[in-house]
Amino acid sequence: GAGVSQSPSNKVTEKGKDVELRCDPISGHTALYWYRQSLGQGLEFLIYFQGNSAPDKSGLPSDRFSAERTGGSVSTLTIQRTQQEDSAVYLCASSSFAETGAYEQYFGPGTRLTVT
Amino acid sequence: AQKVTQAQTEISVVEKEDVTLDCVYETRDTTYYLFWYKQPPSGELVFLIRRNSFDEQNEISGRYSWNFQKSTSSFNFTITASQVVDSAVYFCALRGITGGGNKLTFGTGTQLKVEL
Repeated sequence: GAGVSQSPSNKVTEKGKDVELRCDPISGHTALYWYRQSLGQGLEFLIYFQGNSAPDKSGLPSDRFSAERTGGSVSTLTIQRTQQEDSAVYLCASSSFAETGAYEQYFGPGTRLTVT
Repeated sequence: AQKVTQAQTEISVVEKEDVTLDCVYETRDTTYYLFWYKQPPSGELVFLIRRNSFDEQNEISGRYSWNFQKSTSSFNFTITASQVVDSAVYFCALRGITGGGNKLTFGTGTQLKVEL
């Protein structure tokens, strides 16, 4: 079946502008994650959504970052007033959910964000 | 706190050689999950394996094998008879049930280059 999809694949923006990144998870997956991959910081967790529960926002680096998930499916990550340090690849992942925690996350191709 | 260490930044081998990628982890959780992901030059993270903390049985899948040892907190990955298509960055990751929350904690990755 279809995997996780993300759009756009590349985004170049000017410092100070807002950007929105979109993620479509695998159909039927109730858990959705955002990560960021950059040269200096490696792979960092940003935020986690599971069903109708309150999201785990513990990885968001500042209040300029926010995310929402509509209808339990598509998610949008918004970065306001972008800074050059926000330049990175933003990865979305989804998974099934099990109380035991035994699940693997499947990743999308990522959105490469460049802030000039 | 959780931590994953991949001490090997880059490994170069000649095709058909065997290669082992090391992964050492730290967690206070008694129940946790370990993962390996492959990131080829195309950039998409590909799930390879999940191992539960209560199952120390080693696993073999084709040319891939994994050695999990709780006594040394290691989860090493061996590729037998390496091929050029194995060239990629390989990430080891950890998810703890309590201390780690819902996120994957990744190591810094090992770049594997397989040459003819």
